[in-house]
Amino acid sequence: SQTIHQWPATLVQPVGSPLSLECTVEGTSNPNLYWYRQAAGRGLQLLFYSVGIGQISSEVPQNLSASRPQDRQFILSSKKLLLSDSGFYLCAYTGEGRRSSGNTIYFGEGSWLTVV
Amino acid sequence: AQKVTQAQTEISVVEKEDVTLDCVYETRDTTYYLFWYKQPPSGELVFLIRRNSFDEQNEISGRYSWNFQKSTSSFNFTITASQVVDSAVYFCALKGSGYSTLTFGKGTMLLVSP
Repeated sequence: SQTIHQWPATLVQPVGSPLSLECTVEGTSNPNLYWYRQAAGRGLQLLFYSVGIGQISSEVPQNLSASRPQDRQFILSSKKLLLSDSGFYLCAYTGEGRRSSGNTIYFGEGSWLTVV
Repeated sequence: AQKVTQAQTEISVVEKEDVTLDCVYETRDTTYYLFWYKQPPSGELVFLIRRNSFDEQNEISGRYSWNFQKSTSSFNFTITASQVVDSAVYFCALKGSGYSTLTFGKGTMLLVSP
């Protein structure tokens, strides 16, 4: 069966410190991978998506970056966190591979980031 | 451009009441896909349903039902005999045929009280 895991679940970091959130998918190959952020007010904002190893598309210019070193691994990073980076970060993947545009996107458990 | 509108920000009902969550979408694609997700207080987004644009058949799954109407660009979600465990934020989302990503509505918070 397919599963997605992301960690850490909760993170409190000082302003200016680095960030690394990791996400891995199991049970599927060549998935599309995504990072979303949900700030106060509930809206979901797409940050990055990837259709293959080393292929990253950025949707919103910001203080964050993403990398995909392996087929089923997606990492969200920052060199220096800002207060505005606080929020709930969700990793997601396509369940059936990326051939069909109608593939369902499944989400991980999320990571709560508080920048202080 | 794609857009999803969930006009209801918050709905409060008493247990056992029926409740309908509205979703209106905009897209220029002739083929597209609609989704509903549930976000309980724990935060995880749980997939509920996917509907293809060429399949307007309504769907029922237990206490959940979905009414897809292309003529009004709506994909509404009804919970029958609501329960406290249904309390969550519900998101409607749209994916066009050429898009790899989802466009989400802002969500509707459903509060079911005993």
